Amino acid sequence: AQSVTQPDIHITVSEGASLELRCNYSYGATPYLFWYVQSPGQGLQLLLKYFSGDTLVQGIKGFEAEFKRSQSSFNLRKPSVHWSDAAEYFCAVGGKEYGNKLVFGAGTILRVKS
Amino acid sequence: GAGVSQSPSNKVTEKGKDVELRCDPISGHTALYWYRQSLGQGLEFLIYFQGNSAPDKSGLPSDRFSAERTGGSVSTLTIQRTQQEDSAVYLCASSWDLNIQYFGAGTRLSVL
Repeated sequence: AQSVTQPDIHITVSEGASLELRCNYSYGATPYLFWYVQSPGQGLQLLLKYFSGDTLVQGIKGFEAEFKRSQSSFNLRKPSVHWSDAAEYFCAVGGKEYGNKLVFGAGTILRVKS
Repeated sequence: GAGVSQSPSNKVTEKGKDVELRCDPISGHTALYWYRQSLGQGLEFLIYFQGNSAPDKSGLPSDRFSAERTGGSVSTLTIQRTQQEDSAVYLCASSWDLNIQYFGAGTRLSVL
């Protein structure tokens, strides 16, 4: 079955510290990969995407992600976390191999401590 | 420009009643998606419309769920005879290229 794994349900980091959120997918030779962020009571906002080409992609709010085909991973990183980054982060895969639908991971809740 | 608009933002209903949830996609987007976000199941695909093609209904959990899209724009998700397990946030998304989906703020449905 097509699936996306985000192994960390909760992560707490100190403001100013670096962040890495993990994501692995189980299916697809050429998946389209996404990271979305959701603040409480809000919809999903696209942080970044990978379709092809350079495996290190830059997104909004200082986030970046790296696609590693050999590990079926698409981890999200930020060098210095801000208190406003506290939210829930979802990794998703899509594209034609997924019927143009998005399959989401379970999400990682990020807490930022001052 | 306006983003994806969903209404109502919150809906409380009694078990057994029918509800309608509305989605107004971004102008010019030909694809429209409905997803459900619930505590136990995470984010799940429900249904997807693309232009004039037959919708992909493969994610609808039961025949109590249906959706239509009028004039290639506004969509309504209808849940008949609501059950408590239908309580969730229903998210709508639209896309112009089938690749990047833009989400609305969702409708929080509570079935008492």
